[in-house]
Amino acid sequence: AQSVTQLGSHVSVSEGALVLLRCNYSSSVPPYLFWYVQYPNQGLQLLLKYTSAATLVKGINGFEAEFKKSETSFHLTKPSAHMSDAAEYFCAVSQSASKIIFGSGTRLSIRP
Amino acid sequence: DSGVTQTPKHLITATGQRVTLRCSPRSGDLSVYWYQQSLDQGLQFLIQYYNGEERAKGNILERFSAQQFPDLHSELNLSSLELGDSALYFCASSVEGTSGHEQYFGPGTRLTVT
Repeated sequence: AQSVTQLGSHVSVSEGALVLLRCNYSSSVPPYLFWYVQYPNQGLQLLLKYTSAATLVKGINGFEAEFKKSETSFHLTKPSAHMSDAAEYFCAVSQSASKIIFGSGTRLSIRP
Repeated sequence: DSGVTQTPKHLITATGQRVTLRCSPRSGDLSVYWYQQSLDQGLQFLIQYYNGEERAKGNILERFSAQQFPDLHSELNLSSLELGDSALYFCASSVEGTSGHEQYFGPGTRLTVT
């Protein structure tokens, strides 16, 4: 069965610092992987998607994620955090036609 | 704006009541998904419809049901409501129901059961 584990329910970084949100997946076949962001009182918005075309995936708002099969990881990074990046981030995996499995989410806080 | 619309935005009702949540998918999307988001359970997949047919069920209670109409909009019916049903309910849509297709989420309906 496929699953997703997000390490750290809450991450806090200073403005301008590197953002690193960790995600590990479990899947018996090559998965499709996603990162979504949820701003307060809003729905989820797709940040980026991995579909095996390239291991380094660039998304919106300066975020990118690297697929590492040997580590079964798909960590999300951004070189320099902005205050506007404060939100909840969800890693997700899709292996079947029917659904996406979401991780438990990581709340990102940005310190001035 | 994802192109997915949900109504109403907020809903307050009493225990034992029944409510209907409505979702219109993005233009051209055939698949609709319903999710429940609560503080203790996180984001839970409830059910998926594809072109009018139920395709998959997740953690959906028997008190809950859904359908997708010929115009592809979907409704989620919640009955015999309990306090624990208070949550955000999201609808999402995708082009097809196959893996690899990202889902686009609506703004959600916040249900409060008192």
